[in-house]
Amino acid sequence: ETGVTQTPRHLVMGMTNKKSLKCEQHLGHNAMYWYKQSAKKPLELMFVYNFKEQTENNSVPSRFSPECPNSSHLFLHLHTLQPEDSALYLCASSQGVSGDSYEQYFGPGTRLTVT
Amino acid sequence: GQNIDQPTEMTATEGAIVQINCTYQTSGFNGLFWYQQHAGEAPTFLSYNVLDGLEEKGRFSSFLSRSKGYSYLLLKELQMKDSASYLCAVRDSNYQLIWGAGTKLIIKP
Repeated sequence: ETGVTQTPRHLVMGMTNKKSLKCEQHLGHNAMYWYKQSAKKPLELMFVYNFKEQTENNSVPSRFSPECPNSSHLFLHLHTLQPEDSALYLCASSQGVSGDSYEQYFGPGTRLTVT
Repeated sequence: GQNIDQPTEMTATEGAIVQINCTYQTSGFNGLFWYQQHAGEAPTFLSYNVLDGLEEKGRFSSFLSRSKGYSYLLLKELQMKDSASYLCAVRDSNYQLIWGAGTKLIIKP
């Protein structure tokens, strides 16, 4: 149990659908992250929130829209996705962003398939 | 650009020792992390190096040479449960993690 939960674990959606991914951390951390993980490729950082404020948006297409209502919850709203968006979406949290160590704790991920 | 290189796949025998290398070129350096990821599971933190040298933690050790842009993860007394992907990640000058594609380690009896 890593203290970071994600729902749903699996999601199949059409290109015209709208869906949301949810992440919750029970570790009292202040920073939360969304990553995309595709087969045989490095983890791609999508968004970073520190104390509920978005600090990074790594050129992510607007069809991905993050929301962080508080330090414990993070959402990723999806709409009009493309088949190449099919991947494992990982949420992570850490005590902070810039301190020493501050390893990230990952959730189990949502396996997304866009048809 | 920023780049992390590690072998795609390695095979080792149960009970043996294996070294997984990682080389990096990043804009700035604020620490290097190793994570383990079993198939279908979340990555879990293994080690952190920010100063040169060897950090030992049980059967796992991690080494860093900042001047060479090089790290390795050493796994001793390999067990079948060590079959997983091992991810190297470097924190750059903006404190963002730059990730390698991971090394898939296969342990054979």
